[in-house]
Amino acid sequence: LAKTTQPISMDSYEGQEVNITCSHNNIATNDYITWYQQFPSQGPRFIIQGYKTKVTNEVASLFIPADRKSSTLSLPRVSLSDTAVYYCLVGDPGGYQKVTFGTGTKLQVIP
Amino acid sequence: DTEVTQTPKHLVMGMTNKKSLKCEQHMGHRAMYWYKQKAKKPPELMFVYSYEKLSINESVPSRFSPECPNSSLLNLHLHALQPEDSALYLCASSQEGNPGTDTQYFGPGTRLTVL
Repeated sequence: LAKTTQPISMDSYEGQEVNITCSHNNIATNDYITWYQQFPSQGPRFIIQGYKTKVTNEVASLFIPADRKSSTLSLPRVSLSDTAVYYCLVGDPGGYQKVTFGTGTKLQVIP
Repeated sequence: DTEVTQTPKHLVMGMTNKKSLKCEQHMGHRAMYWYKQKAKKPPELMFVYSYEKLSINESVPSRFSPECPNSSLLNLHLHALQPEDSALYLCASSQEGNPGTDTQYFGPGTRLTVL
């Protein structure tokens, strides 16, 4: 079971690019990395998922180095509405195994 | 329709009460999940149903009893809870039954307070 570590909180000004890193030193060969966003009093919302190198969608990019021991969620040009908690999750597609959300990073976007 | 609905939104119950939380999805997903989330903590997986069968039970106390009447509905029956069980209970669904890689769609949660 890969344990993940994230910074507790980050501040950013509107319009800046934000990079949130998740450390998962004991990630297994088959594990994927998934990021979720959660607003207060709401359930988490899927942002992006990847296995290696770089993945990009309409809202974010995910960078995964070759050793896969960490990953970085990149949010381009954040706005106030991006203020939320961001969780990384590492899991194996091959079986019904326990998965654990990371500790979460509280992103505060400042006007 | 990409929505997972949960009822009730809020629930206050005594330690001797019996209550149920309900969850519904109409996305055709074959897996449904219950999570517990304490304040300022990440969600913790409790149960996974895949194709209406319980596939994961994360050593949850028996005072929590899940039920999946059909692939669209998921219930969580509560009995003899403790004050420390107060939390946000989240329901989620996904295409298959692997919480590690499936894209999970979460409901808004039920805020439970046990007195």
